[in-house]
Amino acid sequence: GDSVTQMEGPVTLSEEAFLTINCTYTATGYPSLFWYVQYPGEGLQLLLKATKADDKGSNKGFEATYRKETTSFHLEKGSVQVSDSAVYFCALYNFNKFYFGSGTKLNVKP
Amino acid sequence: GAVVSQHPSRVICKSGTSVKIECRSLDFQATTMFWYRQFPKQSLMLMATSNEGSKATYEQGVEKDKFLINHASLTLSTLTVTSAHPEDSSFYICSALGQPGTDTQYFGPGTRLTVL
Repeated sequence: GDSVTQMEGPVTLSEEAFLTINCTYTATGYPSLFWYVQYPGEGLQLLLKATKADDKGSNKGFEATYRKETTSFHLEKGSVQVSDSAVYFCALYNFNKFYFGSGTKLNVKP
Repeated sequence: GAVVSQHPSRVICKSGTSVKIECRSLDFQATTMFWYRQFPKQSLMLMATSNEGSKATYEQGVEKDKFLINHASLTLSTLTVTSAHPEDSSFYICSALGQPGTDTQYFGPGTRLTVL
């Protein structure tokens, strides 16, 4: 069945460091891919998405490119801030269902 | 953006009792809502898909008689954990699809259930 695998955390970075959180997926057909973010004490929020191969989703300085050849959707940000500290979830939507990765906690230190 | 609320945010109950969790879309109508369970290591597991006016579709391994889902209106879905046990203690999250046929879902803030 469909599934999402993302790198385990926690990831600890200093402010202004480069961020990559890896995400790979297994799916039949043509899923949409998402990154959600969960800030402490809050619900999940959509960060960005891509609906077809080679699409790039971007928001708040974060980017991810839908790579069908490698079945990946890695999240990147060139310079992280303390306010980016949160848990990040990679997800796919296929045949009216969502599948989530296990989440990666990001800690950004000043 | 669209807002989804959950009530209660936290609940503590005794083993053997039932607990009802409400999920409401506050400023839009949601024909489809999802119920998830979030485990301690942060993984989010889809429990069931709730469609207004019809029976919920449960994922494999989720007991439909234990986790009763009712989606009686376009703005309200409820999850009732029946005869709760300590192993049911978890974080339960609902989400609502913004429009039929879209992939935009809006999440509630979650409900922390603790069964003593």
